[in-house]
Amino acid sequence: DIQMTQSPPSLSASVGDTVTITCRASQSISSYVNWYQQKPGKAPKLLISGTSGLQSGVPSTFSGSGSGTDFTLTITSLQPEDFATYFCQQSYGTPITFGQGTRLEIK
Amino acid sequence: QVHLLQSGPELKRPGSSVRVSCKFSGGTFNTFAFSWVRQAPGQGLEWMGGIIPILGPANYAQKFQGGVTITTDESTNTAYLELSNLKSEDTAMYYCAVVDGGYGAEDHWGQGTLVTVSS
Repeated sequence: DIQMTQSPPSLSASVGDTVTITCRASQSISSYVNWYQQKPGKAPKLLISGTSGLQSGVPSTFSGSGSGTDFTLTITSLQPEDFATYFCQQSYGTPITFGQGTRLEIK
Repeated sequence: QVHLLQSGPELKRPGSSVRVSCKFSGGTFNTFAFSWVRQAPGQGLEWMGGIIPILGPANYAQKFQGGVTITTDESTNTAYLELSNLKSEDTAMYYCAVVDGGYGAEDHWGQGTLVTVSS
């Protein structure tokens, strides 16, 4: 199975800050990384597909980058509604696997 | 627009079985890739398995093989997840999701079904 190591597990930031979350795959997965946001009691929401493909309706303050084994999600100009848990996911091969999640909290 | 509507919460006894449904609308059902994802309380996301109705049998994560069955019914545009021999550790939220774009990303998610296993 392809392991996705996500860091940090938690992050404290202020409104207006820029944060970066990273995921490292245990093998090369080309660009097959997707990022999800999950708020308490809600289903995950797809933010970015294929490393950097911003989904319709997702603010441009979200961006993704990387290739091969190392990937990042960057959120600039944090807004109150951005405080949530974020997961990376590899869809290069089955079983599909997720990172452990990063809980983004308000400082 | 694709929409997924899951069945309601379930309370089950250990050793019993449960079937969770996921009603699909907004597209050609049998061409979409359906996945089931488990989230235990306070934990992360686990892909359990998936199926593309037009291609046939489901594909399971090894961890879930044997205790999980994923099926679809094209006559009702519904995907199903059946869990057998339930244990307390199976208490979780179960989500169905579909891939509607590129890179195998799960574009659309159901609202989740809470399965509680307790004696």
